[in-house]
Amino acid sequence: KAGVTQTPRYLIKTRGQQVTLSCSPISGHRSVSWYQQTPGQGLQFLFEYFSETQRNKGNFPGRFSGRQFSNSRSEMNVSTLELGDSALYLCASSAGVHNEQFFGPGTRLTVL
Amino acid sequence: QQQVKQSPQSLIVQKGGISIINCAYENTAFDYFPWYQQFPGKGPALLIAIRPDVSEKKEGRFTISFNKSAKQFSLHIMDSQPGDSATYFCAASISNDMRFGAGTRLTVKP
Repeated sequence: KAGVTQTPRYLIKTRGQQVTLSCSPISGHRSVSWYQQTPGQGLQFLFEYFSETQRNKGNFPGRFSGRQFSNSRSEMNVSTLELGDSALYLCASSAGVHNEQFFGPGTRLTVL
Repeated sequence: QQQVKQSPQSLIVQKGGISIINCAYENTAFDYFPWYQQFPGKGPALLIAIRPDVSEKKEGRFTISFNKSAKQFSLHIMDSQPGDSATYFCAASISNDMRFGAGTRLTVKP
């Protein structure tokens, strides 16, 4: 089975721009979760989608949003980028609640 | 608000030694406690996980000890090897809402 794929792997944006990141889960997995990883804050939960519905949400501002499509692929959008949004954005897929979460390699976002 | 506290921040162990990483959580509603291993440039990978109705779980050289009353759990790596050198994260979750500890950078010296 192919693993979780994320595109693009690297992205450079400037302050004020917006960005869309994509995640393709493992075939058959219906849950996709997004995380932000930074050296200072560690791994922080952004949100989780299950069957196209946002099921859980972390403590991030409304500039961070996401969606999931009928094929379980998910996108994450960050609007009005700030320097502090520079991070590794990871997505993870699982078959359901408390199933193992499989992480993708992440998208490294740099905001200049 | 850090819901999962992890220590130590870094750990150096000799080859063959035991590595111990500790975590404490606050929310008693958490019902799933995984440990992840992350190598540079890679996403985290699940190592071992436990549910609160079990006090210990062992898989190969990796053991989780879980103390529900103290709201603490720990990872023990027996016979640590240089290939175990990585960053380890504990986590706690409710229904896939997962909160991670800050991570422990483990270095196993040959």
